[in-house]
Parts: sequence; C-alpha cells; structure tokens
Amino acid sequence: GAGVSQSPRYKVAKRGQDVALRCDPISGHVSLFWYQQALGQGPEFLTYFQNEAQLDKSGLPSDRFFAERPEGSVSTLKIQRTQQEDSAVYLCASSQSRGSTEAFFGQGTRLTVV
Amino acid sequence: GENVEQHPSTLSVQEGDSAVIKCTYSDSASNYFPWYKQELGKGPQLIIDIRSNVGEKKDQRIAVTLNKTAKHFSLHITETQPEDSAVYFCATSIRSGGGADGLTFGKGTHLIIQP
Repeated sequence: GAGVSQSPRYKVAKRGQDVALRCDPISGHVSLFWYQQALGQGPEFLTYFQNEAQLDKSGLPSDRFFAERPEGSVSTLKIQRTQQEDSAVYLCASSQSRGSTEAFFGQGTRLTVV
Repeated sequence: GENVEQHPSTLSVQEGDSAVIKCTYSDSASNYFPWYKQELGKGPQLIIDIRSNVGEKKDQRIAVTLNKTAKHFSLHITETQPEDSAVYFCATSIRSGGGADGLTFGKGTHLIIQP
C-alpha cells in the first residue's frame, strides 16, 4: 500500500486479556516507531526498530508491553493482561532511515479495555 | 526528561486571519523541532520542522520560529482556510536530529477556523 497500515482499527478487550496490534510500514522503510496516544494528549514514544533490531524500548510502560519486528518489515505490539489504563490509540510510524526527517504515521489502533 | 508545554489548547480564528501556536521545552539538548497536524481519525502528519541551527523556516502559508536561548518555538499559519482546522502538535527530540525517533510531544492545540 501507499502508506502505513495498522490493524485492527478498533479493538475492545476485557481486562486481563492479551492483545496484538499489527503495523505494516511503507515498503522499504528501515525505521519503525510505536507511540501511545491517550485521549486528548499528544503521542508518547514507546519503542523504535531499525530493521529487525529493537534499538530503543525505553518508552514501554511495563513488562506487559512487548514489540517485535522479526523480518524487518511488519511489526506487532503485544500487550499482556490488559488494564484500563492501557486504553489509548496506538500509532505506528515508519521512515526511510533513523535520521530521515519525514516519518509517516498510520491511522492508529484504538484500544478500549473494559 | 524533556517537558514540552504547548499553548493555547484551543484556538479559534476567522478564516483569512493568522494563527500562532507556541511551545516551550526544558531540555537544552533538544535539536529537532517538528510540527504535526492531526485530523480526526487519522495519524499525525508532519507539516514543517526546524533544526537547532536555524532560527526560522517558511513553507508557503506556514512558518516556524525557534528561540534556543529562551527554549521556545512557534508555528505561524497565515491566511487560514477551513481545511486548516485540526489538532496541531509540537514536538522535540534530542536524538539524531530527525524522524520520529524519541519525540516528546506537546498536548496539542485544537485549531478552529470560523468561516
């Protein structure tokens, strides 16, 4: 596709459930980023991949959050034992390289934990 | 860590007038300052950015100014149009000077263009 694609667009999970959010970056983009955006707030950095290597995971809020990009393209953000405070929009972005000034964001996955 | 304050939270202007959004930051090591526009149901879109070695940058109707001494930067939109209505976010980064790596965002400004 032409842009960053995220699925599902919406996810409702019961508290305690595990969820997996998918990101398809723009083809050929080396860098991939995950951000969390709470309602009415700016996005907050979660983690960064360069190809398949996770170079920075300093923003992951707890060990319940796990991200992977095993083949250097598609990435999955997994949240285990979801809690209400995990409710947010999860945004994925990709860019040609780490220093590239243009990063393209997907539409996000809105996660609601009930 | 970095703290980014953005004002105002809501800004309503008449079509054709100018809009100014201001941000301050705390980390003097910040060296990259992008602005994003987010429309309802969409991801943020980069509209303009500036690096720490430049004081001002302009692209058609939008401009960004940076004052490193005072640690603040501003977005200026002239001749506003209805399609400018959106939420605007400022951001900073201390890493690599570009991209979406380790950005710290402000809380956003909801810009409303009144016809």
